[in-house]
Amino acid sequence: GQQVMQIPQYQHVQEGEDFTTYCNSSTTLSNIQWYKQRPGGHPVFLIQLVKSGEVKKQKRLTFQFGEAKKNSSLHITATQTTDVGTYFCAGPESGAGSYQLTFGKGTKLSVIP
Amino acid sequence: DAGVIQSPRHEVTEMGQEVTLRCKPISGHDYLFWYRQTMMRGLELLIYFNNNVPIDDSGMPEDRFSAKMPNASFSTLKIQPSEPRDSAVYFCASSPRAGAYNEQFFGPGTRLTVL
Repeated sequence: GQQVMQIPQYQHVQEGEDFTTYCNSSTTLSNIQWYKQRPGGHPVFLIQLVKSGEVKKQKRLTFQFGEAKKNSSLHITATQTTDVGTYFCAGPESGAGSYQLTFGKGTKLSVIP
Repeated sequence: DAGVIQSPRHEVTEMGQEVTLRCKPISGHDYLFWYRQTMMRGLELLIYFNNNVPIDDSGMPEDRFSAKMPNASFSTLKIQPSEPRDSAVYFCASSPRAGAYNEQFFGPGTRLTVL
């Protein structure tokens, strides 16, 4: 079955430093979604990327979808303590419609004030 | 909108007992998903429904797990009998009808502890 891998598993940064998490799929994806889960909370949708090579920005967050549509990245500029949490990428199961998502294991971000 | 509602938020039970988790999706959403989250395995899809009909239950770990959706506003996930390895956070999520934009809205989760 489809596999979605994320690296790193954990990242500790000093407040103000940048942070990047990478997501790789074993299959080509029709789209990729990113979610954030705060400690003790639930996953919350951040963004969806659909086009090859697409880049989207949300304030200090930059999302990128690879040209081959098999990888993606999330970059946070000048991290803040409010960025703490686990960031998941998720891709739809290939050939099964777009409603069943396979989630990566996530990257847990800690920000040291 | 109240968002996805789950109950109970916490459940502690003893091995062998029946556990029922409940979910109310966002009104108008056609898709409902049940996930289990553990440190070891991450977020796993157990089963999902479209218009109250189960579409894929291949993620249900074994026969002790069952899920129903008797109407568009209610779903249950039942574990009988429960075992300590079932301890996890169980999330329900819903998604709007077919389209390119298939964002999933997660409920707050039920933290299940089986002793």
